[in-house]
Amino acid sequence: DGGITQSPKYLFRKEGQNVTLSCEQNLNHDAMYWYRQDPGQGLRLIYYSQIVNDFQKGDIAEGYSVSREKKESFPLTVTSAQKNPTAFYLCASSIDDRSYEQYFGPGTRLTVT
Amino acid sequence: AQSVTQPDIHITVSEGASLELRCNYSYGATPYLFWYVQSPGQGLQLLLKYFSGDTLVQGIKGFEAEFKRSQSSFNLRKPSVHWSDAAEYFCAVGAPPHTDKLIFGTGTRLQVFP
Repeated sequence: DGGITQSPKYLFRKEGQNVTLSCEQNLNHDAMYWYRQDPGQGLRLIYYSQIVNDFQKGDIAEGYSVSREKKESFPLTVTSAQKNPTAFYLCASSIDDRSYEQYFGPGTRLTVT
Repeated sequence: AQSVTQPDIHITVSEGASLELRCNYSYGATPYLFWYVQSPGQGLQLLLKYFSGDTLVQGIKGFEAEFKRSQSSFNLRKPSVHWSDAAEYFCAVGAPPHTDKLIFGTGTRLQVFP
């Protein structure tokens, strides 16, 4: 089955620690995205990548970092600089950067205490 | 700037009743339009999309949506709601060439009473 996997489903960290969220897709899509979701705020774009070894900041990139070394993988690191990291994180992909049709993974809920 | 508005934060309907969720957008040309559904703690699933052509589009799970250019709207409808339709619904807009990002509304939470 083709799709997007995110792991883990739930993640707990202490304040001040960096944490990396995994996102893998086997859809052969070129473009991948990371969103943050908070109650009542919809989805906000953190970073996106249109092709391997390239990525751009979204609307709320501060305190986050990404890499895109492989087409299938787009991990997101939430650094200690992110002031409010507790949220639901969604990864998505689309066939290329001209397609707005995005497919989403199941999400990772990060709790930082 | 391009934007998407979902005016209803929360809607409650009885099972079997009809449903219409509103979506309005701000964009000078015809955008690409999407509706997604999200069950609690899950990712988003694409319900339907509009790129061009017939302005009434059919989607999965018995949903349909109608693009009305004159009203800048893309409302989602279902003739008879099932309890399993309770979820959050997001409208989204793609607005080439101004942006290569998908712009999401803030969502409408649907509650279904038996």
